[in-house]
Amino acid sequence: DSGVTQTPKHLITATGQRVTLRCSPRSGDLSVYWYQQSLDQGLQFLIQYYNGEERAKGNILERFSAQQFPDLHSELNLSSLELGDSALYFCASSVGAEIYGYTFGSGTRLTVV
Amino acid sequence: GIQVEQSPPDLILQEGANSTLRCNFSDSVNNLQWFHQNPWGQLINLFYIPSGTKQNGRLSATTVATERYSLLYISSSQTTDSGVYFCAVAVYGKLTFGQGTILTVHP
Repeated sequence: DSGVTQTPKHLITATGQRVTLRCSPRSGDLSVYWYQQSLDQGLQFLIQYYNGEERAKGNILERFSAQQFPDLHSELNLSSLELGDSALYFCASSVGAEIYGYTFGSGTRLTVV
Repeated sequence: GIQVEQSPPDLILQEGANSTLRCNFSDSVNNLQWFHQNPWGQLINLFYIPSGTKQNGRLSATTVATERYSLLYISSSQTTDSGVYFCAVAVYGKLTFGQGTILTVHP
């Protein structure tokens, strides 16, 4: 167990729907990062939050949004889902905004049908 | 942005063999990590190694930051070593992954 908890582990939903993925970081870690892994794009950085504030943004679609709550857990919201959004979504956490090493959760496998 | 290239893309070994995986990166980085993604999709952190050499059991890693490359050594490979090995580098909060090396170890 890495200490980073992601729920749900699997999600199957229809095109056009909206889903929320949840991440609880490792105890003491203030930074949360979201990554998407798809067959054609590999592992891509989506967004980073540090202590509740957005810190860095990557290749995140406008249909996707995220937030980090006061208890430091984070949610990634995916809306108007398309078949191409099917992927493995990872959350990672680290102890500070500057990188000392990431710890990844076990991921949420999203299938859009 | 920074480019990360891994080689070889695929590697097939017999159990007990040794191997070396390479990661080249195009610019200075704050951090470099090696991960193993197992067949269930989990990303396991192997090494945090921005420079120098580290060892953990049968695995070791070396990063030469000035020459912008890192090597992951796997000795006496086992079938449980199968999976995808990723190198990832961090610059200002963004971790960029290579495309990975797919390792298959046959009994």
